[in-house]
Amino acid sequence: DAKTTQPTSMDCAEGRAANLPCNHSTISGNEYVYWYRQIHSQGPQYIIHGLKNNETNEMASLIITEDRKSSTLILPHATLRDTAVYYCIVPHQAGTALIFGKGTTLSVSS
Amino acid sequence: NAGVTQTPKFRVLKTGQSMTLLCAQDMNHEYMYWYRQDPGMGLRLIHYSVGEGTTAKGEVPDGYNVSRLKKQNFLLGLESAAPSQTSVYFCASSPPSDNEQFFGPGTRLTVL
Repeated sequence: DAKTTQPTSMDCAEGRAANLPCNHSTISGNEYVYWYRQIHSQGPQYIIHGLKNNETNEMASLIITEDRKSSTLILPHATLRDTAVYYCIVPHQAGTALIFGKGTTLSVSS
Repeated sequence: NAGVTQTPKFRVLKTGQSMTLLCAQDMNHEYMYWYRQDPGMGLRLIHYSVGEGTTAKGEVPDGYNVSRLKKQNFLLGLESAAPSQTSVYFCASSPPSDNEQFFGPGTRLTVL
């Protein structure tokens, strides 16, 4: 897996957008960027993934830079329930183990 | 549609005891995985399976065995539990060649 770098922690006010950055400068041309989150004591939950185009689903948006060396996960209107550890993962190949690093602990407060 | 379920949710063992953790999925996924998560750490892969009857070692396989006799089930065994195996164990499944993995709720194991 390509190495990823994320900030250790971030804070966000409830109702505001949360922008979580990730650097993956060694990413290869055919490797996707995946985002998962883990709410306290629960199993990780898939959020979104992308290759080079921006992606949006009901949970979040993913913005990938043109050179693909970094990306940003956007939670448009953060709620208290979005407080979790967010993991940016670049799997080397499909259907293999996901390498979960330390991730970013997002704290949403009212 | 229950997704991925794990049995039991909690367990306390004494050193040297054995046990089996059960993972079941109802999504007809080919691939299944067992991870462990220690406090403050990310998940680490123990073993995985790419189909019924096949298993392979992951990053931290020592002290564990697995079996995939049925497509929907993936069993993780501890033959002789050690305190170092105190952890939270997560099972996951996915379609083949897909990195969208679906995780179970976890089993919290304490070995005294």
